[in-house]
Amino acid sequence: QVQLVESGGGVVQPGRSLRLSCAASGFAFSAYAMHWVRQAPGKGLEWVAFISFDASQKYFADSVRGRFTISRDNSETTLYLQMESLRPEDTAIYYCVREVAPIWGQGTLVTVSS
Amino acid sequence: NFMLTQPHSVSESPGKTVIISCTRSSGSIASNYVQWYQQRPGSAPTTVIYEDNQRPSGVPDRFSGSIDSTSNSASLTISGLKTEDEAAYYCQSFHSGYGIFGGGTKLTVL
Repeated sequence: QVQLVESGGGVVQPGRSLRLSCAASGFAFSAYAMHWVRQAPGKGLEWVAFISFDASQKYFADSVRGRFTISRDNSETTLYLQMESLRPEDTAIYYCVREVAPIWGQGTLVTVSS
Repeated sequence: NFMLTQPHSVSESPGKTVIISCTRSSGSIASNYVQWYQQRPGSAPTTVIYEDNQRPSGVPDRFSGSIDSTSNSASLTISGLKTEDEAAYYCQSFHSGYGIFGGGTKLTVL
């Protein structure tokens, strides 16, 4: 069935890096734009980053621009989020989301703490 | 970029109908599709409406979406409320690759 499965979350110290992955299955991944969305504890949803179907276009929220990178491997049907210089305020559940007829993964928790 | 404004909370009784609004601050509500997401406590969001008024398979027809250019807003209507509908609901639009979310509305069914 159509599915997105995130992985790579964990506890990391401020200033360190982390890479999240999102494995897609059940649909033509290479034809869809994708997003990362996060949710801090007890807060609402916050859009983080976008990548077009062919990776030619990438956009970022102001809060992460210059620190986060989005990429994809269409041959492996996987989406990535490389997070650098992490801050405590980056603590959140991170979701990958298909743009058209949106589907969501179950999320992966990132905790930035010393 | 524009903002999407939702009421913080709404409540209604089982069996009744509730409408949750989502008002766009600038630009036309019709310029970009609106999606609606349901999030139950402790769970990931799921899509209940996409492209203004489309229902994903598996979402009951008690859920419907619409847009109103006069008020520049989108609405999620849930009829025949059930206790299982109690959740947070978020509206959202994509604009030139950027994603914009409303602040969310907590629906209480009591």
